[in-house]
Amino acid sequence: EIVLTQSPGTLSLSPGERATLSCRASQSVSSSYLAWYQQKPGQAPRLLIYGASSRATGIPDRFSGSGSGTDFTLTISRLEPEDFAVYYCQQYGSSLTFGPGTKVDIK
Amino acid sequence: QVQLVQSGAEVKKPGASVKVSCKASGYTFTSYGISWVRQAPGQGLEWMGWISAYNGNTNYAQKLQGRVTMTTDTSTSTAYMELRSLRSDDTAVYYCARVVGRTVVTFLEDWGQGTLVTVSS
Repeated sequence: EIVLTQSPGTLSLSPGERATLSCRASQSVSSSYLAWYQQKPGQAPRLLIYGASSRATGIPDRFSGSGSGTDFTLTISRLEPEDFAVYYCQQYGSSLTFGPGTKVDIK
Repeated sequence: QVQLVQSGAEVKKPGASVKVSCKASGYTFTSYGISWVRQAPGQGLEWMGWISAYNGNTNYAQKLQGRVTMTTDTSTSTAYMELRSLRSDDTAVYYCARVVGRTVVTFLEDWGQGTLVTVSS
């Protein structure tokens, strides 16, 4: 099973700042089959990125994904108030697993 | 628009079973799969498994093998997840999600609203 590790556990930033979230896999994720989700309290997760770098429908272009192999990154170029949430990475190259999440909160 | 509407909250005793439904609309049901994901209180997301609405093939998380069964009813575009021999640590919100692709598990494009299952004596 591919284990995903996310860092940092919590990221404290101010609106307008840049957020960089990391997701590392225990083995290579084939064909960059990696997705990112955003979850706000009391809500279901929302797909942001699939295929490591493709934005899902309706996702603003301040969200971008990059990486390959075992190292992936989600970048939020300028944080908006609605972006403070928990972010999960998920791989689907070998079955499916989620990372433990990174919480982005207001500094 | 795509909608996944799940059944209501459940309270069960340890050892019992629960069956959660997920009714899909707004897309061709048999062209996608359905995954089930659960989230214990204050915890992260745990993938439970996947079913192809196209051919009924399933892929369950090893941890839940033998206790979980996923099915679909294509006549009503509804997916079901049954979990047996419930324990207190099965207390969680259970989500269904639409999976892109008919025959393989991939990313989860649309999600249901979640169903809280509480296991308590």
